Amino acid sequence: GQNIDQPTEMTATEGAIVQINCTYQTSGFNGLFWYQQHAGEAPTFLSYNVLDGLEEKGRFSSFLSRSKGYSYLLLKELQMKDSASYLCAAMDSNYQLIWGAGTKLIIKP
Amino acid sequence: GAVVSQHPSWVICKSGTSVKIECRSLDFQATTMFWYRQFPKQSLMLMATSNEGSKATYEQGVEKDKFLINHASLTLSTLTVTSAHPEDSSFYICSARDEEDPGLAGGGETQYFGPGTRLLVL
Repeated sequence: GQNIDQPTEMTATEGAIVQINCTYQTSGFNGLFWYQQHAGEAPTFLSYNVLDGLEEKGRFSSFLSRSKGYSYLLLKELQMKDSASYLCAAMDSNYQLIWGAGTKLIIKP
Repeated sequence: GAVVSQHPSWVICKSGTSVKIECRSLDFQATTMFWYRQFPKQSLMLMATSNEGSKATYEQGVEKDKFLINHASLTLSTLTVTSAHPEDSSFYICSARDEEDPGLAGGGETQYFGPGTRLLVL
C-alpha cells in the first residue's frame, strides 16, 4: 500500500534549527512536496523535490533520497510565525498526492 | 504564484439543505482541480478529482450523489453538498494544478490551494 510517515509533533526554540523527517512508500514516484498549514487555514506550498539532493529556499531547505524513500524539511533561524503544521506529500505514478498526517511544529521563545 | 479562490469562506446551514462551494483559479487555467476535506487535527483527505468537461473521479467511500462536482470551465469547479447533515461539517479545501507552471521539474505538478470553506451543519 501507499504510506507516508512523519512525526506527529515537534518542539523547537526560536532562532534554532529543526529538521522534520518524512518517509514514503508509493506506487511510482513523481516528486515529494512540503506544505505549511497554519491553524484554520489551507496549506501553502513550500517545496518540491523530484531529484535526489538538497533544495535551498531562504530559511527553508528540503532534501530527498529516492533510494531510501526519505525526505526532510529543514527550517533555520526559527521564528514564532513558523509555528504550524508541516505536511509531507508524495506524488504517485498517477500524479495523485499521498498525504502524511502532518507534523505540528511548536516554537518556544 | 498561482492564486485559487474559494467562496464562501464560511457557511452555516440547517440539516437537510444543500450547500454549493465554488473554487476558482484566478490567473491560470486548471484542467484538473481537487476537492479535499479536513477534519480537526487530521490531514487532508482527497474526496474527488474534478476534470474540466468530464465527470469527476471520486475516491473510495465518497458518495458521488451526495457530493456533486461540476467543472464547467477551465477556471471554475463547484462542489455541492446535498442534503447536508451535521457529520458533513468540516473544512473543505480545493486545489488546482497549474499545468503551465515553469517552476518545477516536469512542470504542472504543484497544487495550489484555495483558502478553504468551513461548513457547519446544524
